[in-house]
Amino acid sequence: DAGVIQSPRHEVTEMGQEVTLRCKPISGHDYLFWYRQTMMRGLELLIYFNNNVPIDDSGMPEDRFSAKMPNASFSTLKIQPSEPRDSAVYFCASSMVRGEKLFFGSGTQLSVL
Amino acid sequence: GESVGLHLPTLSVQEGDNSIINCAYSNSASDYFIWYKQESGKGPQFIIDIRSNMDKRQGQRVTVLLNKTVKHLSLQIAATQPGDSAVYFCAETGVRGSQGNLIFGKGTKLSVKP
Repeated sequence: DAGVIQSPRHEVTEMGQEVTLRCKPISGHDYLFWYRQTMMRGLELLIYFNNNVPIDDSGMPEDRFSAKMPNASFSTLKIQPSEPRDSAVYFCASSMVRGEKLFFGSGTQLSVL
Repeated sequence: GESVGLHLPTLSVQEGDNSIINCAYSNSASDYFIWYKQESGKGPQFIIDIRSNMDKRQGQRVTVLLNKTVKHLSLQIAATQPGDSAVYFCAETGVRGSQGNLIFGKGTKLSVKP
């Protein structure tokens, strides 16, 4: 298995632009998580899905953030409009069991200028 | 150990020495714990996990110790190598508003001197 695959690896955009991050979880994993990592706050859980259904989005910072999982092999995290404070590394992770042994992707380094 | 502010605690060890990275957790109800290693520019990578019905678990060159009495978790790395240089995170499954999801600590940076 190739592991969790994220794209793009790096994204540089201007304030106000729409940003879409993509994730392909490990096949057979029923849980998918989106995390944001910054030096200030460490790893923050934004949202997670179970069997493609969003379960808890209480970590999503604002209405500018949205996430979808149209099928078991694909998820997106969208920021519209983006702001400089959204600059961070965004990780997607998947697992077979909630709360255990998450497998992380390589992350998307987002820079909003 | 766990960081509270902006700066990660750093552990510097000589190549070949053993490393011990500590982590305190606050939720006595947590029953699953896990260690991750994150190298620069990469995502966190699973190292080892342990359930609360165990005190110790060993992997390849790594050992996790769990002391539930004082709510303390440690990761021991034997014969530390330059490739072990990374940030190490502990995480627990708790119920503090996360409804059973992993809660990550701030991390400890391990620096291995050749």
